Amino acid sequence: NAGVMQNPRHLVRRRGQEARLRCSPMKGHSHVYWYRQLPEEGLKFMVYLQKENIIDESGMPKERFSAEFPKEGPSILRIQQVVRGDSAAYFCASSPRREPGTEAFFGQGTRLTVV
Amino acid sequence: DQQVKQNSPSLSVQEGRISILNCDYTNSMFDYFLWYKKYPAEGPTFLISISSIKDKNEDGRFTVFLNKSAKHLSLHIVPSQPGDSAVYFCAASAGSFGNEKLTFGTGTRLTIIP
Repeated sequence: NAGVMQNPRHLVRRRGQEARLRCSPMKGHSHVYWYRQLPEEGLKFMVYLQKENIIDESGMPKERFSAEFPKEGPSILRIQQVVRGDSAAYFCASSPRREPGTEAFFGQGTRLTVV
Repeated sequence: DQQVKQNSPSLSVQEGRISILNCDYTNSMFDYFLWYKKYPAEGPTFLISISSIKDKNEDGRFTVFLNKSAKHLSLHIVPSQPGDSAVYFCAASAGSFGNEKLTFGTGTRLTIIP
């Protein structure tokens, strides 16, 4: 059973371009979470999705950022018109259900560098 | 507003001794707490968790203690091993679901000295 798969591992974009980060949850997991880690900081919650639904996007910046988790395929975090401040490590996590004690498993992250 | 604080950015411990990592929180709504371990260029790996209805949870060499009145938790690793060298994150969540919308501390880098 493969773990949470994120790709690409490293992504370089010029200012103004779009960044698309992909996350395939573990098999049987229908809950996906995205977190961002800025240099020297802890992980910050961005968004929680279930298949085809955004459950909680309270951590997402209001502009340029969007996320989806379609019925088929990976979850996508999309950043439009990237700026230098978007440079960070973006981690995806998944869990099988929504109940206490159900740990979330993290992927290895995508390191976005905006030049 | 840092709701979960790890005030020690780094800690060095001799192999075989006890490592104690500390975490403080300010949000009294937090009712589930977790510790994650992270190696460079990898994602966080779940270590151990504790519900607010308990004050201690143990799993092998790892024990987490929770002091609700002080809003403080700690992770004890004994005996410490070289493979324990990593960054440790404390995390917390509010509500009844545990693993959603985790609030992380800034991490403590633990170095085990052989």
